[in-house]
Amino acid sequence: EAQVTQNPRYLITVTGKKLTVTCSQNMNHEYMSWYRQDPGLGLRQIYYSMNVEVTDKGDVPEGYKVSRKEKRNFPLILESPSPNQTSLYFCASSSLDTTYGYTFGSGTRLTVV
Amino acid sequence: GQSLEQPSEVTAVEGAIVQINCTYQTSGFYGLSWYQQHDGGAPTFLSYNALDGLEETGRFSSFLSRSDSYGYLLLQELQMKDSASYFCAVRDRTGGFKTIFGAGTRLFVKA
Repeated sequence: EAQVTQNPRYLITVTGKKLTVTCSQNMNHEYMSWYRQDPGLGLRQIYYSMNVEVTDKGDVPEGYKVSRKEKRNFPLILESPSPNQTSLYFCASSSLDTTYGYTFGSGTRLTVV
Repeated sequence: GQSLEQPSEVTAVEGAIVQINCTYQTSGFYGLSWYQQHDGGAPTFLSYNALDGLEETGRFSSFLSRSDSYGYLLLQELQMKDSASYFCAVRDRTGGFKTIFGAGTRLFVKA
């Protein structure tokens, strides 16, 4: 089944404790992206990647890191999480043919206390 | 800068037709997409318009006018299961290849 897999689904952590949210896709998509979703603000893009070793900042990259060492994986790293990073996070992938849109992962609800 | 505007909420009755509008501002427009998101779920792709005109996919249609920086999603024969949030999104080539989402329109379908 074609899918984007994110882990974990839920995470509660403390301020300053480094964490990684994993994302993997099995569709051989070139384009992968991370979004955060907050009430009333829609989905805001954190980082995206157009291919292996190619990453670029979205609209809200501060406090986040990403890497794209393999085509299928695109982990999101919070080196020193803060409470304002409490949010619902989605990983998404697509082919470079934008006609088909994104496939989203199931989401990761992160709480930083 | 880049921005998208869509109504925050729309209410309609089962069986009716509803239109959700989206206006956008972006300098490197590369296409308008629509996504549906049910409570607790992930967004799912509905449609994409790169050129002016209407695209139809079953009960859903999407329209784009690039000269007006405007598009809409049309949902026909509304069903209760269509109650969800709907997001328009623009892919922008300026400074990269970002995809920017609107804040979403919450659709309530009443019996």
